[in-house]
Amino acid sequence: EAQVTQNPRYLITVTGKKLTVTCSQNMNHEYMSWYRQDPGLGLRQIYYSMNVEVTDKGDVPEGYKVSRKEKRNFPLILESPSPNQTSLYFCASRGQGYGYTFGSGTRLTVV
Amino acid sequence: AQSVSQHNHHVILSEAASLELGCNYSYGGTVNLFWYVQYPGQHLQLLLKYFSGDPLVKGIKGFEAEFIKSKFSFNLRKPSVQWSDTAEYFCAVNGNTGKLIFGQGTTLQVKP
Repeated sequence: EAQVTQNPRYLITVTGKKLTVTCSQNMNHEYMSWYRQDPGLGLRQIYYSMNVEVTDKGDVPEGYKVSRKEKRNFPLILESPSPNQTSLYFCASRGQGYGYTFGSGTRLTVV
Repeated sequence: AQSVSQHNHHVILSEAASLELGCNYSYGGTVNLFWYVQYPGQHLQLLLKYFSGDPLVKGIKGFEAEFIKSKFSFNLRKPSVQWSDTAEYFCAVNGNTGKLIFGQGTTLQVKP
C-alpha cells in the first residue's frame, strides 16, 4: 500500500531534550515536506526536500532541522524543543502531477 | 507571495443543508488547487483537485468545487450535508514551485 509513515503518533517531551520524528514513504517520491498544524493557522511548511541531499526552508523553519540522506526517509529533528513547538506535525510526499500524500500525523507536546 | 484565504473559520449547519465554503488565493501564474478534509483525529485526505480543464470539479463524497479564475476563487460546495461531514476543511494551492500552501481551515459542524 502506498503510504507515508510517521513515528511516533504521540510524543510528550521536556524542554531542551532532543527528539526526532521519522517519516518514510514507499512511493519513490522525490519531493517531501514537513508541516505543522496549529489552530487558526492551518498548515505551515517547515522544511521541504526536492531530492536526496537537497533540502530547503519553508515558512517556519526556526528550531527545526531535517536531513535527506536517502529518498524514502525525511526525518524532522528538534535539537532543543520548546513549548511553542507543541503542535501537530505532518509529513507529506509528492509524486507526479502534484499529488500529495500525507502521513497520519505526530502530536507533539513539549512541557 | 502566494497566500490562501478561507472566508469562514467555523460553520454550523443542520443535516441536509447546503454547504459552500469560500477560498481565495493570490498567485499570478498557473496554479493547482486542492481541497482537503481532516476528520477528527485523522490526517488530511484529498477531497478534490483542479489542475486544468473543466473548472467545475467533482470530488469524493458528493463534494464539488468551482474554479473561477477571474475571482481567484475555488469554492467548495455540497448540496446536502450529512452529520458525517463534520470535519475541518482546508483549501490549498501550489504554483510552479510545487510548494503547497494551505488556508487557515474551516471547521464544519453538522447537527443531526
